[in-house]
Amino acid sequence: GENVEQHPSTLSVQEGDSAVIKCTYSDSASNYFPWYKQELGKRPQLIIDIRSNVGEKKDQRIAVTLNKTAKHFSLHITETQPEDSAVYFCAASRSGQAGTALIFGKGTTLSVSS
Amino acid sequence: DAGVTQSPTHLIKTRGQQVTLRCSPISGHKSVSWYQQVLGQGPQFIFQYYEKEERGRGNFPDRFSARQFPNYSSELNVNALLLGDSALYLCASSLVGGRTEAFFGQGTRLTVV
Repeated sequence: GENVEQHPSTLSVQEGDSAVIKCTYSDSASNYFPWYKQELGKRPQLIIDIRSNVGEKKDQRIAVTLNKTAKHFSLHITETQPEDSAVYFCAASRSGQAGTALIFGKGTTLSVSS
Repeated sequence: DAGVTQSPTHLIKTRGQQVTLRCSPISGHKSVSWYQQVLGQGPQFIFQYYEKEERGRGNFPDRFSARQFPNYSSELNVNALLLGDSALYLCASSLVGGRTEAFFGQGTRLTVV
């Protein structure tokens, strides 16, 4: 089955710096790669996603890149702000006719200090 | 539109007991998946259901079971509870065949004592 590895487990940056989180996956049939942000005691919230037919996607300060050959994808946050502090999870899914079932990485705790 | 709703929000059970958790998907979503999130870890996939049939299963023991009803709501059952079953149980729903975002409910916090 699918296995997702995520690094680093913790990341501390200064406000305004960039943050990069990297994930690798094992199942070449996975075709959907979302990133979730989870604040303490709350549900995971989708922040950006990318499908396997796209190499890069950007939404304001957040971007995701996908390298299908190497089976890895990355989250890039620019101009970080204290409110970006949270746990971030990458996930992979073989999304299709039965919907989406996600295999998650172990998470990255991002701390942005002002 | 209401989002994914789960009940109850919190639950305390004793070792050996059985528990049933409930999930109502977003209207129009026919696919439901369940996840277990132990404190400090990422959510772990338990089950996926679509059209009342199990379409995927994670690496969980047979004590875990689920079902989906004609209205696409779902229940997760856990028998013979262990202390290690204490976790946040998340339900997510999604459309099929097209846009594939999974929307999560607020979760059920299960504590086994």
